[in-house]
Amino acid sequence: DTEVTQTPKHLVMGMTNKKSLKCEQHMGHRAMYWYKQKAKKPPELMFVYSYEKLSINESVPSRFSPECPNSSLLNLHLHALQPEDSALYLCASSQDGSSGANVLTFGAGSRLTVL
Amino acid sequence: GQNIDQPTEMTATEGAIVQINCTYQTSGFNGLFWYQQHAGEAPTFLSYNVLDGLEEKGRFSSFLSRSKGYSYLLLKELQMKDSASYLCAVMDSNYQLIWGAGTKLIIKP
Repeated sequence: DTEVTQTPKHLVMGMTNKKSLKCEQHMGHRAMYWYKQKAKKPPELMFVYSYEKLSINESVPSRFSPECPNSSLLNLHLHALQPEDSALYLCASSQDGSSGANVLTFGAGSRLTVL
Repeated sequence: GQNIDQPTEMTATEGAIVQINCTYQTSGFNGLFWYQQHAGEAPTFLSYNVLDGLEEKGRFSSFLSRSKGYSYLLLKELQMKDSASYLCAVMDSNYQLIWGAGTKLIIKP
């Protein structure tokens, strides 16, 4: 299995809703990432988990809450989002987070619309 | 500061060759990556360079000069499906990826 699977593919939510994005990989990768991408912009790093521990939080607002239940799963819990949070949310994984040839494998993304 | 520059958009003809340049200034260097991203899809890995020189992989080649802070991605025998954005990313001394804004490549018949 060489894939990163993200669900749901599309999500529409109101500003008072609570929802979660899910990500799964079975490549034995020990680093997992959440990125946010706006149209015509590069991916913007949000969080990095390395060996199931949060290693990087790029000053992301607390309305985004990551969770790594085990080495294969990564969740992003969403609460009280703003319309400007509408974007493509990409999950990625890599063998580990601290080596040179650290190729990221991305999931297909979850397109989030906040009304 | 950390900075990666690449052209915003390029146009090329089917069957031709195109070179997409990337210049960088980063805190340390642990390799340079090229990713391809079709509209609305996830980025996919194309190449990785950490030593100077040319890496060839089928129709795609990537070149690196560390002393010049410069890389290029060369695409040969262009096909319509090569229409996509091409993202240059550098891994810095903390093993974090610094991304360029991407180059949108338009292929015309």
